Amino acid sequence: NAGVTQTPKFQVLKTGQSMTLQCAQDMNHNSMYWYRQDPGMGLRLIYYSASEGTTDKGEVPNGYNVSRLNKREFSLRLESAAPSQTSVYFCASSGRRANTGELFFGEGSRLTVL
Amino acid sequence: GQQLNQSPQSMFIQEGEDVSMNCTSSSIFNTWLWYKQDPGEGPVLLIALYKAGELTSNGRLTAQFGITRKDSFLNISASIPSDVGIYFCAGQLYGGSQGNLIFGKGTKLSVKP
Repeated sequence: NAGVTQTPKFQVLKTGQSMTLQCAQDMNHNSMYWYRQDPGMGLRLIYYSASEGTTDKGEVPNGYNVSRLNKREFSLRLESAAPSQTSVYFCASSGRRANTGELFFGEGSRLTVL
Repeated sequence: GQQLNQSPQSMFIQEGEDVSMNCTSSSIFNTWLWYKQDPGEGPVLLIALYKAGELTSNGRLTAQFGITRKDSFLNISASIPSDVGIYFCAGQLYGGSQGNLIFGKGTKLSVKP
């Protein structure tokens, strides 16, 4: 079972470049999430999608856009990358117990913006 | 915004010792959860707590949902080297939506063999 798969695992960008982080889950979950993790800051929610066709902002949405392409896939796009977006990005999904906080995370995508 | 105060920030212990960490907040939570993150991996759910006062065990791990709904602790007994990692508490706010899961900043555990 793959669970939650993120690509790419590592990426280096120059300031102003754009890129998309891809996420797919094979657990038939309705809800999907994008978090960023910075040293000493824990996990902060960027955007989430409670179901196919809906997306909502989290705590730190500025500078990001998302697309819930279908039930399996949820992508995160940086239109014009900034050094402050250097971080580790985690995609997560949840099923029937979405409102209780039980999440399944991917392995992370490590992004460096120069 | 809402905050969880997780402590300690880091711990260096000897193999075989017991470990205790906790999270507190000024907000009331519907659910408390504890996740573990191994180096280079994503967090994995260890224990989920749904009722005030609930005490739940998972092997050598024991966690409790505080009676005031504003705190939780995690204990690890007889630590082993594979317990190394970062432990995160998380709370789902009472009446909150799926976007209202708040994470603590983590406790980094190091175990000396």
